Amino acid sequence: GAVVSQHPSRVICKSGTSVKIECRSLDFQATTMFWYRQFPKQSLMLMATSNEGSKATYEQGVEKDKFLINHASLTLSTLTVTSAHPEDSSFYICSASSGGGGPEAFFGQGTRLTVV
Amino acid sequence: ELKVEQNPLFLSMQEGKNYTIYCNYSTTSDRLYWYRQDPGKSLESLFVLLSNGAVKQEGRLMASLDTKARLSTLHITAAVHDLSATYFCATQQAGTALIFGKGTTLSVSS
Repeated sequence: GAVVSQHPSRVICKSGTSVKIECRSLDFQATTMFWYRQFPKQSLMLMATSNEGSKATYEQGVEKDKFLINHASLTLSTLTVTSAHPEDSSFYICSASSGGGGPEAFFGQGTRLTVV
Repeated sequence: ELKVEQNPLFLSMQEGKNYTIYCNYSTTSDRLYWYRQDPGKSLESLFVLLSNGAVKQEGRLMASLDTKARLSTLHITAAVHDLSATYFCATQQAGTALIFGKGTTLSVSS
């Protein structure tokens, strides 16, 4: 299957700082990428959908000014957590699709964010 | 709104016995996914079911899909310790994000 690479896998940051997470599709062009957040012992919750070259669509309750998503190319989407607080500590997972209604969704390795 | 319900949420299994996880979804969908997640890890794709009546098997796991009943099952045959993990089902409508169930945490004991 296709490969989605997410970086970093772990990050610890101080409260009030910003953190950028990258999601790359390595062997296909991802017209759409999805960002999920997973709190301990919970399911994955969709945060936003990003389409290459356009603004991301955020799910209800997700602050777009806090979670900045950029999908500037067909192989890279970034999620920046701005002014991070301890409650933003979570596991963030990206997913990429090549579009065309294909059945596969490919997931990155996830990023464990800890805000201290 | 597409919703996915899984049950049970926790399953304590004895080695060698058979178990089933159920996944119901709320609106018409043409694809159903099963994933495994180990602690601290991302998702591992197990099965993608694309049509009514689809059945797929890999080792001790078998997944099936009934689109009329909006139901998928994940059957575990002769559970072994290596199957201990959290299993998620998910569905989507074409071109949109996957919507996940709450997950079923399996624990296998001897």
